[in-house]
Amino acid sequence: KQEVTQIPAALSVPEGENLVLNCSFTDSAIYNLQWFRQDPGKGLTSLLLIQSSQREQTSGRLNASLDKSSGRSTLYIAASQPGDSATYLCAVYNNAGNMLTFGGGTRLMVKP
Amino acid sequence: ETGVTQTPRHLVMGMTNKKSLKCEQHLGHNAMYWYKQSAKKPLELMFVYSLEERVENNSVPSRFSPECPNSSHLFLHLHTLQPEDSALYLCASSRYRGALHFGNGTRLTVT
Repeated sequence: KQEVTQIPAALSVPEGENLVLNCSFTDSAIYNLQWFRQDPGKGLTSLLLIQSSQREQTSGRLNASLDKSSGRSTLYIAASQPGDSATYLCAVYNNAGNMLTFGGGTRLMVKP
Repeated sequence: ETGVTQTPRHLVMGMTNKKSLKCEQHLGHNAMYWYKQSAKKPLELMFVYSLEERVENNSVPSRFSPECPNSSHLFLHLHTLQPEDSALYLCASSRYRGALHFGNGTRLTVT
């Protein structure tokens, strides 16, 4: 059974810092990995999707990397802003089945 | 606007009530999902409808019953719920194994 872990559970940084969020998964037979953002009381917003054959994806100040063999992904946020404050979740699609397994999320606070 | 619309946004129901949650997507996706989000727990997949096949999490109680009449609409029928079923219920859609697009959820409180 796939298990997805995100560390740390919470992170507080001053505005302008570059930061890295971590995601690890136990079963490396994945189809893709997805990163989401969730604001309080809202649904999830898709940020980046990395196919299993890819090493990284970039969107603006966000860069996600994937190391399938070690079961790890990182989300790099450059020049963080208070508007980046949210919970960030990663999720993996296994090769078998049609289920996306989520991590517990990292709650990010960027202080002005 | 997310492209995935859920109604109602908030629902309070007693344990003997029957209610339904509704989800609608106009993104041309062919898979729809129900997720449960409880405080301090990872998102829990409840049901998936994909390519006309239904997949369910075996741990979901039978008091939750999904219905997917077409690729654009998804319902979650609720009956005789328990207080521990209070949570945020999220609907999502995607192309097969593609990026998920979520609605804003229904905040359910069972009294």
